[in-house]
Amino acid sequence: AQSVTQLGSHVSVSEGALVLLRCNYSSSVPPYLFWYVQYPNQGLQLLLKYTSAATLVKGINGFEAEFKKSETSFHLTKPSAHMSDAAEYFCAVSDSGGYQKVTFGTGTKLQVIP
Amino acid sequence: GAVVSQHPSRVICKSGTSVKIECRSLDFQATTMFWYRQFPKQSLMLMATSNEGSKATYEQGVEKDKFLINHASLTLSTLTVTSAHPEDSSFYICSAMGQSTYTFGSGTRLTVV
Repeated sequence: AQSVTQLGSHVSVSEGALVLLRCNYSSSVPPYLFWYVQYPNQGLQLLLKYTSAATLVKGINGFEAEFKKSETSFHLTKPSAHMSDAAEYFCAVSDSGGYQKVTFGTGTKLQVIP
Repeated sequence: GAVVSQHPSRVICKSGTSVKIECRSLDFQATTMFWYRQFPKQSLMLMATSNEGSKATYEQGVEKDKFLINHASLTLSTLTVTSAHPEDSSFYICSAMGQSTYTFGSGTRLTVV
């Protein structure tokens, strides 16, 4: 069984401030981990993914995440928030290898304050 | 990159009618596609796994006779909500595995009146 826990359903940051969205995972096998962003009434867009290569993963729009096995975490960060980053962010996990189903966290809505 | 097209983006239907949602992989072949449902302010819940040329695998609690899934080709999966009721109103999203990652469609907002 696999699961992800996103701490904080809502996060507010000031424009230009650091963005930190937390995600902890549980998986019985080496996981694949993902961060997706969803804008209102739209599908999900992949920000980045971890597939057992480098532990620090860089994604689109200046986001990055670090896989920490000892902490079972995969937190998403961005050094400087932009107004356009306001959206909902989902952490997700799947079993490594093959066409495995993806399990999503409950999401974190990011608000950027001007 | 991998592109998944989902159609329609919005649909309003009367209670008791059926609605078909299409999910197409435009530039890759997808033997497996997934259908999700998202309630307001909630996460995505996997409904079923659609397998090309075979029956879909439904998650526990999902009525297979109500949510009919057909995956007749390597680029097309359809979800038909049969005898729709207002409680079926939701945001439905498909995804397909392509280029080692999951690509999502843009979603379908279904409103049953």
